[in-house]
Amino acid sequence: QKEVEQNSGPLSVPEGAIASLNCTYSDRGSQSFFWYRQYSGKSPELIMFIYSNGDKEDGRFTAQLNKASQYVSLLIRDSQPSDSATYLCAVNGNTGKLIFGQGTTLQVKP
Amino acid sequence: DTGVSQDPRHKITKRGQNVTFRCDPISEHNRLYWYRQTLGQGPEFLTYFQNEAQLEKSRLLSDRFSAERPKGSFSTLEIQRTEQGDSAMYLCATSLVGSTDTQYFGPGTRLTVL
Repeated sequence: QKEVEQNSGPLSVPEGAIASLNCTYSDRGSQSFFWYRQYSGKSPELIMFIYSNGDKEDGRFTAQLNKASQYVSLLIRDSQPSDSATYLCAVNGNTGKLIFGQGTTLQVKP
Repeated sequence: DTGVSQDPRHKITKRGQNVTFRCDPISEHNRLYWYRQTLGQGPEFLTYFQNEAQLEKSRLLSDRFSAERPKGSFSTLEIQRTEQGDSAMYLCATSLVGSTDTQYFGPGTRLTVL
């Protein structure tokens, strides 16, 4: 079992819709959770981090964490074509290093 | 631009050659991480430093790989006797321990081994 799992997609949504990206992790001791966006050929760019159960909102983005279910999600409201990218879920235990999922490719169609 | 810089941005080399990459962190960040990313995969952890101390190395880091951070500022990653399987994007990320330890990535170095 992979430590961090994401559906590779592609996830296709129309412009203006809500995109929902999901991630599960195996280590119950994980402390913090991150979402990065990566455009083709570029490096990962931090979108959000979350530590506590529940929702955290930042503009059009909402991260949701459920530690009991070992589940993290990212919602993107009012999706734009510029949101088309690969979204990486990353988990940090106590060691400092990030464990990444393989990423979900999002396509927002005009 | 996160403030993390990497050099070179691209490197093409022949199998068997040695290569060295450099990462300059955000100035106040005391942790520095190296990751490797191949096409279609998420980044994989290689090693990290807190100040000048190398605190963890992945099993992925064979003895052909060595990393240093001599003065707790910039870091270098050297690959000796490169192999075609070393072709990847090498990413550096830095963070400030004691805060959220949120890691910010540099632009990466794309290595192609012919």
